[in-house]
Amino acid sequence: EAGVAQSPRYKIIEKRQSVAFWCNPISGHATLYWYQQILGQGPKLLIQFQNNGVVDDSQLPKDRFSAERLKGVDSTLKIQPAKLEDSAVYLCASSTGVVRTDTQYFGPGTRLTVL
Amino acid sequence: AQSVTQLGSHVSVSEGALVLLRCNYSSSVPPYLFWYVQYPNQGLQLLLKYTSAATLVKGINGFEAEFKKSETSFHLTKPSAHMSDAAEYFCAVSDGNKLVFGAGTILRVKS
Repeated sequence: EAGVAQSPRYKIIEKRQSVAFWCNPISGHATLYWYQQILGQGPKLLIQFQNNGVVDDSQLPKDRFSAERLKGVDSTLKIQPAKLEDSAVYLCASSTGVVRTDTQYFGPGTRLTVL
Repeated sequence: AQSVTQLGSHVSVSEGALVLLRCNYSSSVPPYLFWYVQYPNQGLQLLLKYTSAATLVKGINGFEAEFKKSETSFHLTKPSAHMSDAAEYFCAVSDGNKLVFGAGTILRVKS
């Protein structure tokens, strides 16, 4: 079974530029998550989708971050404009549903460096 | 809100020695708890999870964890460390629909 795919794996940009990340979840998984992992910290949820609807985006900085999940499959996360503090690894995860005990499967992440 | 605290950002053990990684949780509801491992430049992989069945949970790669309600703990153990266990380990608690992670513990295994 293929895992969660993410691209690109690495990205370096200047501050105030824009950037987009792509995620393809495990086939059949209805729930998709984007996490931000800053160096030395645990992952923090940015946004959660159930199919193509947003379940939780309370920690998404909506003035600069946006995300969409068209057709309930792939998802993109965009940052515009980027700030230095956005340097982090962006992890995508998926699960079959939204039950509290569901296992979340993580992709390899995209490491963003903002100069 | 639920939270977890991992004691010790770095733990070093000798190969063959006991591994003990500590996790304490705070939860206003019966918690569901998880341990994930992250190898360099990889995503997180589930080691084990507690879902209110048995308090002693066995996971992959010889790891296990015991849920202790009285101590609000969910410590991760492995009887004998292997070089391949060197990685970062995260404890997490389910908070509604999302996972809340601790800051992580980097495990170093010395030969």
